[in-house]
Amino acid sequence: DAGVIQSPRHEVTEMGQEVTLRCKPISGHNSLFWYRQTMMRGLELLIYFNNNVPIDDSGMPEDRFSAKMPNASFSTLKIQPSEPRDSAVYFCASRRDRGEKLFFGSGTQLSVL
Amino acid sequence: EDKVVQSPLSLVVHEGDTVTLNCSYEVTNFRSLLWYKQEKKAPTFLFMLTSSGIEKKSGRLSSILDKKELFSILNITATQTGDSAIYLCAVEGTGGFKTIFGAGTRLFVKA
Repeated sequence: DAGVIQSPRHEVTEMGQEVTLRCKPISGHNSLFWYRQTMMRGLELLIYFNNNVPIDDSGMPEDRFSAKMPNASFSTLKIQPSEPRDSAVYFCASRRDRGEKLFFGSGTQLSVL
Repeated sequence: EDKVVQSPLSLVVHEGDTVTLNCSYEVTNFRSLLWYKQEKKAPTFLFMLTSSGIEKKSGRLSSILDKKELFSILNITATQTGDSAIYLCAVEGTGGFKTIFGAGTRLFVKA
């Protein structure tokens, strides 16, 4: 299995631009999580899907952030418009079922100038 | 609100030392507690704990959970430079089945 696949690995953009991060979970996993990691705030949960349905998006910082999971093998996290304070590493993780461990992708390092 | 608090936030030790990392939590209807190690990129799984008092062990690492006092510890004996990493504690509750993480403990092991 290829594991959780995220793209791009690195993204550098200018303030105000739209950013789209992509994630392919492990096949057969029915839960998908988006996290953001910074030195100041650690690993924050942004949104969580179960069976492609958003269950909890209380961690999404504001309306500039949106996430979709159109099918079991693909999810996107979009930031529009981006701001410098959005600079962070964004991780996607998946798990087979509730109560099981998470598998993480390699992350996307986002820099907003 | 569910919460995970780890301590210390950072730690510097010498090779061969033993370290204890702490994790306390508040979660709606606790289901499990997990420990992860993060080196350069993605966190990798170490342990899952669901029952109090049962030690999980893997080589020089071990962990135990106390559901009454709502905490867990991760022990590393005879530390090596390769143990240098961020150690993350996470909990899952049945309130939403989401997994939330603490801020992590940054461990640096000096040669």
